[in-house]
Amino acid sequence: DTAVSQTPKYLVTQMGNDKSIKCEQNLGHDTMYWYKQDSKKFLKIMFSYNNKELIINETVPNRFSPKSPDKAHLNLHINSLELGDSAVYFCASSRSMGQGVSNEQYFGPGTRLTVT
Amino acid sequence: GDSVTQMEGPVTLSEEAFLTINCTYTATGYPSLFWYVQYPGEGLQLLLKATKADDKGSNKGFEATYRKETTSFHLEKGSVQVSDSAVYFCALSAYSGGYQKVTFGTGTKLQVIP
Repeated sequence: DTAVSQTPKYLVTQMGNDKSIKCEQNLGHDTMYWYKQDSKKFLKIMFSYNNKELIINETVPNRFSPKSPDKAHLNLHINSLELGDSAVYFCASSRSMGQGVSNEQYFGPGTRLTVT
Repeated sequence: GDSVTQMEGPVTLSEEAFLTINCTYTATGYPSLFWYVQYPGEGLQLLLKATKADDKGSNKGFEATYRKETTSFHLEKGSVQVSDSAVYFCALSAYSGGYQKVTFGTGTKLQVIP
């Protein structure tokens, strides 16, 4: 049983297109995240949602828009794709982000986005 | 703000060699500390964690001790195997502004050769 799943696994598209990546977790967690990993493996947090509410919104172009229809899902929509958006995007989830909680994260398998 | 500094890779070792990957951190308050591992083509997975000073996390022969006095959480393994080849990330989780924020290091690639 997959804990955190993402679709698609690979996404190849042209500059200027709009695309979405979907994420689902079946762990009962109420916090979900999107990360971007570049070719040097550097991991950068983009967004975090807690109980469907946006908690973390790092410096990310507004072409990126997350949407959380419920606690188990967090989707990422990207408008007007650019070459620099090529990367691996990871979804993750964790338990509630309250004080005193050690919230290890569970990662999905990643979506490799290639913009040509 | 919080930060995590890891030794730069890649680290190349022969099978059965001793491994140390250094990790130091800066954070306000009392963070939890983690090591994650990323095997080729996969997402990150938790390797071990420690939630307070002097705690030792351990898993699959890997160990790390939370050292508050030196703000360090170095990863060690006594005898590495080819299957340990992966990228290792040190991370901290700290409560700030009403929520826990996780900060990752830049990752250290380990290659183990037979």
